[in-house]
Amino acid sequence: EAGVTQFPSHSVIEKGQTVTLRCDPISGHDNLYWYRRVMGKEIKFLLHFVKESKQDESGMPNNRFLAERTGGTYSTLKVQPAELEDSGVYFCASSQGYGLAGHTDTQYFGPGTRLTVL
Amino acid sequence: AQSVTQLDSHVSVSEGTPVLLRCNYSSSYSPSLFWYVQHPNKGLQLLLKYTSAATLVKGINGFEAEFKKSETSFHLTKPSAHMSDAAEYFCAAGYGNKLVFGAGTILRVKS
Repeated sequence: EAGVTQFPSHSVIEKGQTVTLRCDPISGHDNLYWYRRVMGKEIKFLLHFVKESKQDESGMPNNRFLAERTGGTYSTLKVQPAELEDSGVYFCASSQGYGLAGHTDTQYFGPGTRLTVL
Repeated sequence: AQSVTQLDSHVSVSEGTPVLLRCNYSSSYSPSLFWYVQHPNKGLQLLLKYTSAATLVKGINGFEAEFKKSETSFHLTKPSAHMSDAAEYFCAAGYGNKLVFGAGTILRVKS
């Protein structure tokens, strides 16, 4: 079974440009998450989809970030326009969503996309 | 606020000696707790997970972690380090469906 895949693995763009990151979750996983690790900091939650709906987007830093999950399959995260502080590694994760009540589902992570904004 | 603290940013051990990576969490209840490992140029791989069953959790590659509610700790151990264990390790707590991560501990294994 294929794991979570992310594309591209690396992206280098200039400040003010637009970048779109893609995540393909494990087949059958209704839950999809985006996280980000800025250099030297913790991995931080950005948002959570259940199928095509945004369940929690409390971690999105500002309105330059737009996440979509059309049809409840793959997801994209667009940054427009990119700023220097957006540089970091963007991780996607997915989970089935059938964990024990009151417990957090096991989330399976992709390899990440390393974004560098110059 | 919910937080996870990994007490050591770097740990260095010799091959064949025990590994201890420390993690504390803050919460008024017992969250789900996880340890992940990231090898260079790879994604995060789940090592083990605690969900209020047994307090001693066994994971992959000989790792285990013990949940201690009184100390709000979830330290990761391995009896004998192998060169292939060199990586960055992340402790995470689950609050709802959101994971809160520690800052990571880089494990170096010396031959």
